[in-house]
Amino acid sequence: AQKVTQAQTEISVVEKEDVTLDCVYETRDTTYYLFWYKQPPSGELVFLIRRNSFDEQNEISGRYSWNFQKSTSSFNFTITASQVVDSAVYFCALSEAATGRRALTFGSGTRLQVQP
Amino acid sequence: KAGVTQTPRYLIKTRGQQVTLSCSPISGHRSVSWYQQTPGQGLQFLFEYFSETQRNKGNFPGRFSGRQFSNSRSEMNVSTLELGDSALYLCASSLEQMTRSEQYFGPGTRLTVT
Repeated sequence: AQKVTQAQTEISVVEKEDVTLDCVYETRDTTYYLFWYKQPPSGELVFLIRRNSFDEQNEISGRYSWNFQKSTSSFNFTITASQVVDSAVYFCALSEAATGRRALTFGSGTRLQVQP
Repeated sequence: KAGVTQTPRYLIKTRGQQVTLSCSPISGHRSVSWYQQTPGQGLQFLFEYFSETQRNKGNFPGRFSGRQFSNSRSEMNVSTLELGDSALYLCASSLEQMTRSEQYFGPGTRLTVT
């Protein structure tokens, strides 16, 4: 069965610090997709990135970067020079390509608090 | 482009009642999925509709149902409400069926059952 583990329940950093949010997944499929979503206090889940299992290239988007390592089943998310606006709950999610298992399975989320 | 909209945003119901939540996807998106978010269980998948057909269903009792209309708008219904149904219900839309494209979420409907 598919599973996503976000071991860090809450992280608190001071503005301008770098922070890495960990995500470890389990799946029996060879084709799957990994996602990161941000949930600010307003409640709406904001899509950040989608990565398929065949693409292990790391990605950088502004202050955000993602490190996908199939060997360790991890898809970690790093925020460089954090800002107060980054404060939110971040969810890692997994979906499999196989019929019947396409639903997003979410981790329990990591609450990030960035102090000014 | 307008985002995913959900109505109502807040709802208070009594045990035993039923409730209908509505979701309008992003224009052009044909897939709508529903998720329940609670502090105890986190985010859990309810079901997905694509071209008016339910394509996937999560592990929820039959009291939870949904449908999708020809314009891709979707509704979910919960009958015989229980206290444990209190949650944030999130709707997500995507261009194609789940996993082939990103899902974009609406602001959610916060349901409180008393």
